[in-house]
Amino acid sequence: DQQVKQNSPSLSVQEGRISILNCDYTNSMFDYFLWYKKYPAEGPTFLISISSIKDKNEDGRFTVFLNKSAKHLSLHIVPSQPGDSAVYFCAASEAGTYKYIFGTGTRLKVLA
Amino acid sequence: KAGVTQTPRYLIKTRGQQVTLSCSPISGHRSVSWYQQTPGQGLQFLFEYFSETQRNKGNFPGRFSGRQFSNSRSEMNVSTLELGDSALYLCASSHSGLAAPLAKNIQYFGAGTRLSVL
Repeated sequence: DQQVKQNSPSLSVQEGRISILNCDYTNSMFDYFLWYKKYPAEGPTFLISISSIKDKNEDGRFTVFLNKSAKHLSLHIVPSQPGDSAVYFCAASEAGTYKYIFGTGTRLKVLA
Repeated sequence: KAGVTQTPRYLIKTRGQQVTLSCSPISGHRSVSWYQQTPGQGLQFLFEYFSETQRNKGNFPGRFSGRQFSNSRSEMNVSTLELGDSALYLCASSHSGLAAPLAKNIQYFGAGTRLSVL
């Protein structure tokens, strides 16, 4: 079963506009969530994270929102830049399990 | 500070052969995790090692195995290769593993080893 789901395989956004990437999860025991960005031929790069005790975390142009009741996570990128074009993965972990569960990824294309 | 290093970057093998992939974590990191990435499947967790001990294992057959050495370097072995094993294999290291304070849990990935099984 897919415990972490990214239902949009791709997303296109105009440069300067907001990009919103979504992630849903099913395991209510997850307590830490992360977003990674991946360029072709490179490993995923950590972007931003959030603990389950928070509902928002901001780092520059990137903000992650967590809605625990809906089991929903989103990443907002404002303003979007062409260099943001990549595949974005959300991941979740449960304390004591020593592993991350990743979604299938969303390919973001920012159009100049 | 050097990042996570995976060798080799590319491998071509034939069915039935075995393969060993290597991962050198960031200096000071003691936790190493392995993932398999295939199109449409995201990153599938293989296993995690901390101080030479496997702490968790994903849902992969016993043909997939790993180990970690005292210097935290890790190897992954796949025996009796099948066509479906063709994938990008990623290694990630973190300072203390997922039992630690959250900031130390962040995993940093290598560029991966792309394995093609013919």
